[in-house]
Amino acid sequence: GAGVSQSPRYKVTKRGQDVALRCDPISGHVSLYWYRQALGQGPEFLTYFNYEAQQDKSGLPNDRFSAERPEGSISTLTIQRTEQRDSAMYRCASSRGGEIHEQYFGPGTRLTVT
Amino acid sequence: LAKTTQPISMDSYEGQEVNITCSHNNIATNDYITWYQQFPSQGPRFIIQGYKTKVTNEVASLFIPADRKSSTLSLPRVSLSDTAVYYCLVGDRESGGSYIPTFGRGTSLIVHP
Repeated sequence: GAGVSQSPRYKVTKRGQDVALRCDPISGHVSLYWYRQALGQGPEFLTYFNYEAQQDKSGLPNDRFSAERPEGSISTLTIQRTEQRDSAMYRCASSRGGEIHEQYFGPGTRLTVT
Repeated sequence: LAKTTQPISMDSYEGQEVNITCSHNNIATNDYITWYQQFPSQGPRFIIQGYKTKVTNEVASLFIPADRKSSTLSLPRVSLSDTAVYYCLVGDRESGGSYIPTFGRGTSLIVHP
């Protein structure tokens, strides 16, 4: 079956613009996670959802970052008024939820803010 | 929040067994230990998960001592394609609480011919 997909794969935007990153999880997966990964570092947790409920957003860097998953499937991570320091790889992962945290990661969106 | 410590890098040769140890001194009673593998330009891929003693699958083995303050990922007979970054995570299974995966910097394994 299809894995986790993310779009766009690459996004170049000018400082101050808003961007929306999309994640389409594996069908039926309950949990959806967003991460940010800098070069040479591990993925940094941003937020996660169970179904449509945002369970934890403690990793969001500031109030310019927000995420939603309105119907418990596709999720959007929105960054408002982008800054150069927001440039990174943004990764999404989904899991069945429940007892085993086997997460399936998407290919990521490479965001570059100029 | 339980934290983990792993070696930054390791080197090995094809055909050898590689053991990567992760320290997690503050592991909680309900925490499980999960390992992921990440190749360049790809997202992490789940390898194995365990709670205590030994777990084995087609890819690797995971050894967890009785005190659970560390764990060792064992990769048998590595090949060049095992060159990757390996992450150890510790956290509670989802049992109504919030689980925040913490990847850290991982261990960069380089397998030489």
